[in-house]
Amino acid sequence: NAGVTQTPKFQVLKTGQSMTLQCAQDMNHNSMYWYRQDPGMGLRLIYYSASEGTTDKGEVPNGYNVSRLNKREFSLRLESAAPSQTSVYFCASSERRLNNQPQHFGDGTRLSIL
Amino acid sequence: SQELEQSPQSLIVQEGKNLTINCTSSKTLYGLYWYKQKYGEGLIFLMMLQKGGEEKSHEKITAKLDEKKQQSSLHITASQPSHAGIYLCGADDGAGSYQLTFGKGTKLSVIP
Repeated sequence: NAGVTQTPKFQVLKTGQSMTLQCAQDMNHNSMYWYRQDPGMGLRLIYYSASEGTTDKGEVPNGYNVSRLNKREFSLRLESAAPSQTSVYFCASSERRLNNQPQHFGDGTRLSIL
Repeated sequence: SQELEQSPQSLIVQEGKNLTINCTSSKTLYGLYWYKQKYGEGLIFLMMLQKGGEEKSHEKITAKLDEKKQQSSLHITASQPSHAGIYLCGADDGAGSYQLTFGKGTKLSVIP
């Protein structure tokens, strides 16, 4: 049971470089999410996709773009990476919107921007 | 916006001891979710509590939702080294939202 799979697991970028983080889920979930986790800040929602074909901003969307490629896949793109984007990024999915539907998380991508 | 405060921030207990972690919300709690995170790994879903004073148990972990106090507690009985990790609570605003607000976590260490 793969659940939510994120690639890559680790990445180091230079300031200004671009990168796409990949996420795929095999649970046939409708909704998908991208979070970042920073020390002292907890988990913060970047973007989410309620269903295939829709995306919406979360709490901290600046500097990021997302694409819901199909029902399984939801990618996060950094167009011009900045040191402030150094973080651990988590992808999650849920059957549908909240109302007692837990989100299931991937193992994260550890991203360092130099 | 909703804020969740977890206490304590960190906890060190001897194996076999009981412990409680609290999660207090600035607003009414509707859905409350408990997760566990081990270092370098993702979040593992533990339990979900609905509005209405619910209580759930799984193995040696019991979670309760006190809607009047806008608080949830996670109680571990007879702790084991396998319980070590970071425990996170998350809450939704009950309006059919897609957004979970998380607390900053409680780091639990269990000494053998």
